Amino acid sequence: GDSVTQMEGPVTLSEEAFLTINCTYTATGYPSLFWYVQYPGEGLQLLLKATKADDKGSNKGFEATYRKETTSFHLEKGSVQVSDSAVYFCALSESGGYNKLIFGAGTRLAVHP
Amino acid sequence: AAGVIQSPRHLIKEKRETATLKCYPIPRHDTVYWYQQGPGQDPQFLISFYEKMQSDKGSIPDRFSAQQFSDYHSELNMSSLELGDSALYFCASSLGSGNEQFFGPGTRLTVL
Repeated sequence: GDSVTQMEGPVTLSEEAFLTINCTYTATGYPSLFWYVQYPGEGLQLLLKATKADDKGSNKGFEATYRKETTSFHLEKGSVQVSDSAVYFCALSESGGYNKLIFGAGTRLAVHP
Repeated sequence: AAGVIQSPRHLIKEKRETATLKCYPIPRHDTVYWYQQGPGQDPQFLISFYEKMQSDKGSIPDRFSAQQFSDYHSELNMSSLELGDSALYFCASSLGSGNEQFFGPGTRLTVL
């Protein structure tokens, strides 16, 4: 079945450092791809999405590009802030059907001053 | 803006008891999804409803059942609770299936 694999954490960075969190997927069709963020004690918030190959999703300085040839959707940010500390989930939604989300294991990011 | 409401936010039960979790979608949203997130794990899809009919089913135990009512709110009923059912249960809603899902804050269930 479809699946998502993302890099293990925790990732610890200094403020203003460059962030990359790797995400690859396996899917039979043409899924939509998402990054969700979960702050401590809160629910999941959609960070960005891409629905077809070569689309770039971006929000709050975060970016990810849907790469069909490498089945990847890596999350990047040029300069992280302490407030970015959270758990980041890569997810896919299968093409067709009723679009349940399949999540990766999550990557915890800790940014220190 | 109105968000997805889940109640209760926290619930403590004993083994073999039953629990009912409620989800109130964003107004006009007709699709509801339930996910279970175990400690330190990724959310796992349980079940979804579109226009009050079950639309998809995931790894939901037979001890669990759910439904969507005429006002589009949904309830997840859990019976014969086990220690392993301790988790954060998220509800998400969307306008039409296949569109962006908006997540509620979750219900944290602890089974003792």
